[in-house]
Amino acid sequence: GESVGLHLPTLSVQEGDNSIINCAYSNSASDYFIWYKQESGKGPQFIIDIRSNMDKRQGQRVTVLLNKTVKHLSLQIAATQPGDSAVYFCAEINSGGSNYKLTFGKGTLLTVNP
Amino acid sequence: GAGVSQSPRYKVAKRGQDVALRCDPISGHVSLFWYQQALGQGPEFLTYFQNEAQLDKSGLPSDRFFAERPEGSVSTLKIQRTQQEDSAVYLCASSSGQRSSGNTIYFGEGSWLTVV
Repeated sequence: GESVGLHLPTLSVQEGDNSIINCAYSNSASDYFIWYKQESGKGPQFIIDIRSNMDKRQGQRVTVLLNKTVKHLSLQIAATQPGDSAVYFCAEINSGGSNYKLTFGKGTLLTVNP
Repeated sequence: GAGVSQSPRYKVAKRGQDVALRCDPISGHVSLFWYQQALGQGPEFLTYFQNEAQLDKSGLPSDRFFAERPEGSVSTLKIQRTQQEDSAVYLCASSSGQRSSGNTIYFGEGSWLTVV
């Protein structure tokens, strides 16, 4: 079946360091991927997305890398700040599939130590 | 509004009570999703609307769950005869495009349901 999973359930970094959060997906038909940040008591907040015709996309302090060969996504956060502490989810979607829905992984808890 | 708005933010229901959760998507957004998120888990898909049409309801856990979007904007998720296992956060999300366009999907803050 379709699934999206994360390699690391928790990640602890020092303020100012770079963070890398990894995600594996299994549906080769997925063509759109989104990273969300979820703080306690809040809904998922869009961070960055990438389509399957790209392998890298950069935003402000964040970069998403997509490796379709091994079905792997990563989110890189530069100069991590305490405000980055949250659970991070990757999500995949097959926009042309019969079932149009985001499938989420379990999430990685990022803790930034001051 | 500026984002997806959900109400109520918090709801405590007695077991057996019916509840209704409301979602106001971003103005003009065609696609609307409902998700259920248990504590410590990722969101799980419930149902999808394109305008007023409910195109996918495969994630609804039982016939006690019902969703509607009669005019293609505001949506309501109704849960009948609530049970303790229904306790979760119910998230609404919307997107400007139709299913094949790959537009960004934005979430609301969720409705936190506790069944006692």
